[in-house]
Amino acid sequence: GQQVMQIPQYQHVQEGEDFTTYCNSSTTLSNIQWYKQRPGGHPVFLIQLVKSGEVKKQKRLTFQFGEAKKNSSLHITATQTTDVGTYFCADSSNTGNQFYFGTGTSLTVIP
Amino acid sequence: DSGVTQTPKHLITATGQRVTLRCSPRSGDLSVYWYQQSLDQGLQFLIQYYNGEERAKGNILERFSAQQFPDLHSELNLSSLELGDSALYFCASSVSYAGAYEQYFGPGTRLTVT
Repeated sequence: GQQVMQIPQYQHVQEGEDFTTYCNSSTTLSNIQWYKQRPGGHPVFLIQLVKSGEVKKQKRLTFQFGEAKKNSSLHITATQTTDVGTYFCADSSNTGNQFYFGTGTSLTVIP
Repeated sequence: DSGVTQTPKHLITATGQRVTLRCSPRSGDLSVYWYQQSLDQGLQFLIQYYNGEERAKGNILERFSAQQFPDLHSELNLSSLELGDSALYFCASSVSYAGAYEQYFGPGTRLTVT
């Protein structure tokens, strides 16, 4: 199956610092979705990227899809304690029937 | 609240036993996905159903099976349970079967096998 790797696995930042997580694949991604899972919670959909080179913003969050559609990133500007959680990228297979989630990046924000 | 419900919330059982996890998708969603999340494995896709039919299989063990009923709720059956099956099991639903649709996750069922 497709392997979607995320780095880093863990990230601790001071509140107010920026944070970035990267999602990489050895194969071309059909589309990329990003999810956030708060501690003790369930994954919640954040956004979907479809086009090569696409950039989308949600307040302090910026999502990018690589030109070759083999990588994606999520950048959070000026982190807040509410940003704590694990961020997953997810790619659907070429047939669109399976979902491969990245390994996740766990973000801790130190107040 | 995602609109997806899962029961039970917690389940404790012994090795060798069989359990059934239940999921009701969001109103209007025809597709149901099952995932297993354990500490060292992340979110593993198990199986997907769309409108009662199996659409895709992921890393699902032969001891596990699932089905989606005419009212669109789904059940995941886990048999001959092993200690390693202890995990959080999520159900998610989406409008369609294609990957271009966001998934809405339920609160999960935490299974502990002792």
